[in-house]
Amino acid sequence: GAGVSQSPRYKVAKRGQDVALRCDPISGHVSLFWYQQALGQGPEFLTYFQNEAQLDKSGLPSDRFFAERPEGSVSTLKIQRTQQEDSAVYLCASSPVMGGNNQPQHFGDGTRLSIL
Amino acid sequence: SQKIEQNSEALNIQEGKTATLTCNYTNYSPAYLQWYRQDPGRGPVFLLLIRENEKEKRKERLKVTFDTTLKQSLFHITASQPADSATYLCALESGRRALTFGSGTRLQVQP
Repeated sequence: GAGVSQSPRYKVAKRGQDVALRCDPISGHVSLFWYQQALGQGPEFLTYFQNEAQLDKSGLPSDRFFAERPEGSVSTLKIQRTQQEDSAVYLCASSPVMGGNNQPQHFGDGTRLSIL
Repeated sequence: SQKIEQNSEALNIQEGKTATLTCNYTNYSPAYLQWYRQDPGRGPVFLLLIRENEKEKRKERLKVTFDTTLKQSLFHITASQPADSATYLCALESGRRALTFGSGTRLQVQP
């Protein structure tokens, strides 16, 4: 497909388990962003990649959150020892240019994570 | 601290009327402002971008204004249709690479 693809669409895990969320950005897009969206709220920034380099991880809520984009295309967001407050929709977005805040971002439909 | 405010109450209007949504911000001096549409269970979809030196931007039935003195953007949908029903998100560049979003306003257009 031509859009940003995220998998799985839904993930249920028990508290304390590790989870991995995948993002396939639009081919050739340089910038990749991860956001967290709580119910009834707007997306909140987690981290930003320019190609394979993670240039900003200031939004990651704790050291249990880790993201990588080793080959500058697919990205994985990993959450270790999940907690109930990690329950949210995790959105991935990509942009064809560096930076990205002055260009449209293309979002996937997210992964809805529920921690029991 | 930086803050973006959108009316958290849903906006209900009749089909054919103009919908006006408001985005107010404080402690920002954004160079750009973007509006996105989000449907339930879907990711945000980009609609319009307006720069600080642009007072107004139009795209088909959509119009966005950007008043840097009032620190406000207005988003208008003219001749609204039930298919316009969705949550609309305002987003600002915040001096770093990512966007900072408001909490969104839900629009419901009644047929």
